[in-house]
Amino acid sequence: ELKVEQNPLFLSMQEGKNYTIYCNYSTTSDRLYWYRQDPGKSLESLFVLLSNGAVKQEGRLMASLDTKARLSTLHITAAVHDLSATYFCAVIFNNNDMRFGAGTRLTVKP
Amino acid sequence: GAVVSQHPSWVICKSGTSVKIECRSLDFQATTMFWYRQFPKKSLMLMATSNEGSKATYEQGVEKDKFLINHASLTLSTLTVTSAHPEDSSFYICSADPLAGGINEQFFGPGTRLTVL
Repeated sequence: ELKVEQNPLFLSMQEGKNYTIYCNYSTTSDRLYWYRQDPGKSLESLFVLLSNGAVKQEGRLMASLDTKARLSTLHITAAVHDLSATYFCAVIFNNNDMRFGAGTRLTVKP
Repeated sequence: GAVVSQHPSWVICKSGTSVKIECRSLDFQATTMFWYRQFPKKSLMLMATSNEGSKATYEQGVEKDKFLINHASLTLSTLTVTSAHPEDSSFYICSADPLAGGINEQFFGPGTRLTVL
């Protein structure tokens, strides 16, 4: 069964702190994406990870991929309020089946 | 960059009426477009895959007669919710893939919020 699991589902953190969101998937994947969604809005693409060991960084967000462990992480460094949003990982299986994780709702408090 | 638009951005309709949602790729051609629905505070659920010039492929559990999809051109796909009922109220998001063959980079539209009274 093709499954994508994210955790945590809810994350409340203080500004300035670091935290990691995890995305596990059930079987071999072709690509993995991270998206951000603000309330009432559509998805904004953050990162696409294509190969084992891939690491990408943009501002305070860094994503990595371990295809052997079937795990991707989204690391937040020194969080700021503007990062409050819901973050989704999405995995493409068999080149034509895209599955989303349940999402992690991040709230950054001052 | 690749831009996808949706129209309308929100719609309120009475139960029993039909609603059409348009998804357009503005600066690229999309052989394949995807339709998702998202319930409040939930993830995206793929409803169907729409290929230009052919019938859409629906996911299991999605009624093809209720959610009519037409991919009329390489830049336009429409989703018509027929005889809408309150349980069809949801956030509908489309995405477009500029490349043929499998799923490549998807560009998402801004979404359409449907409320059925």
